[in-house]
Amino acid sequence: DAKTTQPTSMDCAEGRAANLPCNHSTISGNEYVYWYRQIHSQGPQYIIHGLKNNETNEMASLIITEDRKSSTLILPHATLRDTAVYYCIVTGSSNTGKLIFGQGTTLQVKP
Amino acid sequence: GAGVSQSPSNKVTEKGKDVELRCDPISGHTALYWYRQSLGQGLEFLIYFQGNSAPDKSGLPSDRFSAERTGGSVSTLTIQRTQQEDSAVYLCASSLQGTTNYGYTFGSGTRLTVV
Repeated sequence: DAKTTQPTSMDCAEGRAANLPCNHSTISGNEYVYWYRQIHSQGPQYIIHGLKNNETNEMASLIITEDRKSSTLILPHATLRDTAVYYCIVTGSSNTGKLIFGQGTTLQVKP
Repeated sequence: GAGVSQSPSNKVTEKGKDVELRCDPISGHTALYWYRQSLGQGLEFLIYFQGNSAPDKSGLPSDRFSAERTGGSVSTLTIQRTQQEDSAVYLCASSLQGTTNYGYTFGSGTRLTVV
């Protein structure tokens, strides 16, 4: 599975968009980009995933570059409750289906 | 149930004792995973079950760790002769199918403290 690189930490003002980048330059053609987040003292929460096209759901948008070597998770209107560690994970659709978590980005939403 | 349920939520045990951690996945989810998270660290994959297939045990850190899944539903993670380095939050997750095309749903975890 391809390795991902994320900034260690980011700040965002409440009500503004939070843009979390992820580099995955070694991604292969059949690998998906997944985003999870972990709020303090809770289990990780699935946010969104994509292969090639940009994706949007009720939680966030995922923008994947045309060469697929990087992506950005967008929280359109960040709230204090969005403060969490955000994990970008690249993995293939293998039979094991296991996700390998890195250190993620700690997003601090400030009032 | 509505989510993945883990029990106990907290467990304190003496070094050398055996512990059992339980996970009830979402009904109908065929895939079940165990992870652990040490303080301030990321999640470490332990083991994966998918239907009747042999489990992927590649993440188990030592032979003191084992897991089983009975009847394709409830899973138990057993740690024998616990050591202080086993202290961590143990997380269970389930998914609808055995591929990553579907998001995992995680439980709230069991916080294990070995004293």
